[in-house]
Amino acid sequence: SAVISQKPSRDICQRGTSLTIQCQVDSQVTMMFWYRQQPGQSLTLIATANQGSEATYESGFVIDKFPISRPNLTFSTLTVSNMSPEDSSIYLCSVEGRRDTEAFFGQGTRLTVV
Amino acid sequence: DAKTTQPPSMDCAEGRAANLPCNHSTISGNEYVYWYRQIHSQGPQYIIHGLKNNETNEMASLIITEDRKSSTLILPHATLRDTAVYYCIEARGSTLGRLYFGRGTQLTVWP
Repeated sequence: SAVISQKPSRDICQRGTSLTIQCQVDSQVTMMFWYRQQPGQSLTLIATANQGSEATYESGFVIDKFPISRPNLTFSTLTVSNMSPEDSSIYLCSVEGRRDTEAFFGQGTRLTVV
Repeated sequence: DAKTTQPPSMDCAEGRAANLPCNHSTISGNEYVYWYRQIHSQGPQYIIHGLKNNETNEMASLIITEDRKSSTLILPHATLRDTAVYYCIEARGSTLGRLYFGRGTQLTVWP
């Protein structure tokens, strides 16, 4: 299994500001994934982050709003830019397991924008 | 986009088997059926997956119909800790980390 640590676990931010969420994995992984879970909703894939290349964004998500960094094989960051209350969600990081049979998720970052 | 259909909610008595259905009538030949669950305020947890054969592990059993258009997740002896949202997801082996979640089934296990 993979152990994933996300920081911060929660935050309350002012609208118009930006927040960077960190995701650290205890082993090297090729791909990392970022998800958003809006209140009372299911998870939605934001983007796939590969080391050494630009992230691939899903429909409805753009790099200017959710810039992603992937500096090495164990770490990634997701920034939520120019936040509005609609960005209040749980943001989760995920990786594929070494056996390539399952995905592992962090505990998420609970973001509230006021 | 999610392509599976699940009932929004089910309940089950503690100690009884919980049978959670999923329809995936448009599944492709190279797509697996994955089940994850999300206990309140936690990240999703992998349960089991299968291609066309039935599968069993320490957590659950997965029964896939012969035409692969539907499946059932079975928790043989449900406990209160199994109360969670259960997601049935189609995923290709090469992109299993890229998951498209539907609304899932809220399973409530009662004493």
